[in-house]
Amino acid sequence: AQTVTQSQPEMSVQEAETVTLSCTYDTSESDYYLFWYKQPPSRQMILVIRQEAYKQQNATENRFSVNFQKAAKSFSLKISDSQLGDAAMYFCAYRSAWGNQFYFGTGTSLTVIP
Amino acid sequence: ETGVTQTPRHLVMGMTNKKSLKCEQHLGHNAMYWYKQSAKKPLELMFVYNFKEQTENNSVPSRFSPECPNSSHLFLHLHTLQPEDSALYLCASSQERDRGGEKLFFGSGTQLSVL
Repeated sequence: AQTVTQSQPEMSVQEAETVTLSCTYDTSESDYYLFWYKQPPSRQMILVIRQEAYKQQNATENRFSVNFQKAAKSFSLKISDSQLGDAAMYFCAYRSAWGNQFYFGTGTSLTVIP
Repeated sequence: ETGVTQTPRHLVMGMTNKKSLKCEQHLGHNAMYWYKQSAKKPLELMFVYNFKEQTENNSVPSRFSPECPNSSHLFLHLHTLQPEDSALYLCASSQERDRGGEKLFFGSGTQLSVL
């Protein structure tokens, strides 16, 4: 089975600064998708960004961008101009191109300091 | 109205009780999921339904019983649970196509406490 590792249980960032959350994964597949989900105190997981493994270009969504290194099996999330509303748990997830199985990391708790 | 709605939001039950969790999705999706979220652990997939048919059952104890009467509704029936079953139970849905990669849409979860 694939595994997803988030080595930073907690991170903090000053408001308006930039922070990078790390994620590594293990797979023998070549065709897959990677995701970052945000879980605020309301508990509802919300998709932040999605990356297709066959695309070399890194995905971006406004202040959120990823650094996808396929050979290194690394998928980090960069949050620019951090806002108080960015405070949440962030989960990295892997999904094969085939099948319904998602594999999630253990999450990183992000605190934004005013 | 949110895309995926879960009820109840909180549930406290004794080990001999029987209760059910409910999930409803308003997105027209064809797949629904139950996940268990425990502190400091990855989300655990419990059950998957594609087109109302169960396709995954990740060795979940029989005290958890899923039901999917149609593509919009999903239930998780609980009976004789153990204290270690206390967790956040998340429902999700997706629109599956021939080739995967679709994202999940989650509900807000049911926080379950077993006494």
